[in-house]
Amino acid sequence: QKEVEQNSGPLSVPEGAIASLNCTYSDRGSQSFFWYRQYSGKSPELIMFIYSNGDKEDGRFTAQLNKASQYVSLLIRDSQPSDSATYLCAVGPSGGSYIPTFGRGTSLIVHP
Amino acid sequence: SQTIHQWPATLVQPVGSPLSLECTVEGTSNPNLYWYRQAAGRGLQLLFYSVGIGQISSEVPQNLSASRPQDRQFILSSKKLLLSDSGFYLCAWNRVNQPQHFGDGTRLSIL
Repeated sequence: QKEVEQNSGPLSVPEGAIASLNCTYSDRGSQSFFWYRQYSGKSPELIMFIYSNGDKEDGRFTAQLNKASQYVSLLIRDSQPSDSATYLCAVGPSGGSYIPTFGRGTSLIVHP
Repeated sequence: SQTIHQWPATLVQPVGSPLSLECTVEGTSNPNLYWYRQAAGRGLQLLFYSVGIGQISSEVPQNLSASRPQDRQFILSSKKLLLSDSGFYLCAWNRVNQPQHFGDGTRLSIL
């Protein structure tokens, strides 16, 4: 059974701080990793994705992969109250499957 | 660019009534299509997925069914809704090894 684990939170950070979100995965063969943001009552929105060949930075967001320890992280710099949401980590499959495995999400609260 | 449409946005149905939720994708061909359900405060539960017209795989045995009558159309149905069918239903699409993209979702309440 492939698993993706996330701390449910809430993770509370002050405005302007760096928010660090992590998830661990069990499938050592996974090659693709996705981060989604989900506001309350809305559908998940893709914000970052990386492959096993390296980290990625996009504006205030950085996604990092540690393959040896099997965890992926999302850093949000200069956190804003509008970043308050649930962040879902998804890990792409290995082998013949094509269905990603989702974590349950981490709730982030950025307080002014 | 690709877009995914899902409707209706909200639905209130009595127990025992039928259900039909529709999802369409534009701007791509032969997408992988998915139906998820998300209960309040819970994670995403994969219900069905499809890799082509008429090809449906079920992840969870229940009173729901799915169909894919056209390449970019995915339908979720039920003949008789249960109280436990309440939730937020999400349609998604992707290509192999690419991220999934979600529709706006349907919030279903069963009375």
